[in-house]
Amino acid sequence: SQKIEQNSEALNIQEGKTATLTCNYTNYSPAYLQWYRQDPGRGPVFLLLIRENEKEKRKERLKVTFDTTLKQSLFHITASQPADSATYLCALCTSGTYKYIFGTGTRLKVLA
Amino acid sequence: DVKVTQSSRYLVKRTGEKVFLECVQDMDHENMFWYRQDPGLGLRLIYFSYDVKMKEKGDIPEGYSVSREKKERFSLILESASTNQTSMYLCASSSSYRSRGYEQYFGPGTRLTVT
Repeated sequence: SQKIEQNSEALNIQEGKTATLTCNYTNYSPAYLQWYRQDPGRGPVFLLLIRENEKEKRKERLKVTFDTTLKQSLFHITASQPADSATYLCALCTSGTYKYIFGTGTRLKVLA
Repeated sequence: DVKVTQSSRYLVKRTGEKVFLECVQDMDHENMFWYRQDPGLGLRLIYFSYDVKMKEKGDIPEGYSVSREKKERFSLILESASTNQTSMYLCASSSSYRSRGYEQYFGPGTRLTVT
């Protein structure tokens, strides 16, 4: 069956370091992969989209990589700040559908 | 600024009540979605709609129905609320243009408690 895995344990890092979050998937051929940020008690907010034929995407301090051979996406936040503390969700969508399947998210805490 | 609004942030209902959750978007999006989010289970799709009066079941439709009479509005109905429907409910919308990658815009969520 289709499965998306994100590290369920919280990730604590020191301010100024690069945070790296992982999204692995199985039995899936996504056409699109997205990353969202979710703060407690709020809806997710879209951050970045990467397509199956793209290896890397950047936006300000954010970088996403997509390796369809390894079936893995990495999400990097460089020069992390306490304000980056949140839960980060990855979501996959296959070609021909509008539906995304979401991972359970990884909680990131950036320590001052 | 794009916006998805939900009718209530918090709702408390009794077992057996009929519950209506409303969602409105102002982006002229074709697609609208209802999810529920539970600790350890993540976001699970209940229903989605790709056009007015069109709907499709998601992964967990049992105990729910939906209505989309106007493009901007998508309602989730719990026919007879049960305690296992206590959850955070999130509405989202997206464009159907492939170039947009179907990025979803979420509402603030409704935390429903069924007692």
